[in-house]
Amino acid sequence: NAGVTQTPKFQVLKTGQSMTLQCAQDMNHEYMSWYRQDPGMGLRLIHYSVGAGITDQGEVPNGYNVSRSTTEDFPLRLLSAAPSQTSVYFCASNEVTGIMETQYFGPGTRLLVL
Amino acid sequence: AQKVTQAQTEISVVEKEDVTLDCVYETRDTTYYLFWYKQPPSGELVFLIRRNSFDEQNEISGRYSWNFQKSTSSFNFTITASQVVDSAVYFCALSEAEGNFNKFYFGSGTKLNVKP
Repeated sequence: NAGVTQTPKFQVLKTGQSMTLQCAQDMNHEYMSWYRQDPGMGLRLIHYSVGAGITDQGEVPNGYNVSRSTTEDFPLRLLSAAPSQTSVYFCASNEVTGIMETQYFGPGTRLLVL
Repeated sequence: AQKVTQAQTEISVVEKEDVTLDCVYETRDTTYYLFWYKQPPSGELVFLIRRNSFDEQNEISGRYSWNFQKSTSSFNFTITASQVVDSAVYFCALSEAEGNFNKFYFGSGTKLNVKP
């Protein structure tokens, strides 16, 4: 049971380049989400998914796309990277037990856009 | 307006001191959940505790304790006899239902420095 995995751990992009941040979980969780963490701002929700084929926008979705073709994978795509997207990105998977819910986070991807 | 406020940006204590991290939240829901996470210098986010809005009992886990008070919308976290390994950024979070998803709102974090 690997939990939530993210790749790559670190990436440098030039402005305008595209890339996909990978996220996978092996806990069969329906709910997954992407956050970005910037200094002094805590975590902000980018996109989330309540199951395969279903995604929705969070607080800061602009510049990012997501898809959820399987329960396990939830990739985050940057179509045209901008310096403002320099951040640490966390993927999370939600465990729902009855009415209780807990998030488990991946190790993060540190992205630098030049 | 911030849904979760952690007014203490950074706290420094000496080892063995007790320290309390404050968290104030804002919600109109009657059912919600509160969380604390730890982010050590290595960067990963570690789940510490989850508390639902119907359970106001204080909880103690080893050196950690949590004080949930609905009357003041606070969910404070106390570390007793702090240790250097407690040095980390601590995040408080609120989860409330929006449609068929429970959205999480994080505070900006409190950086705790425990000096030997």
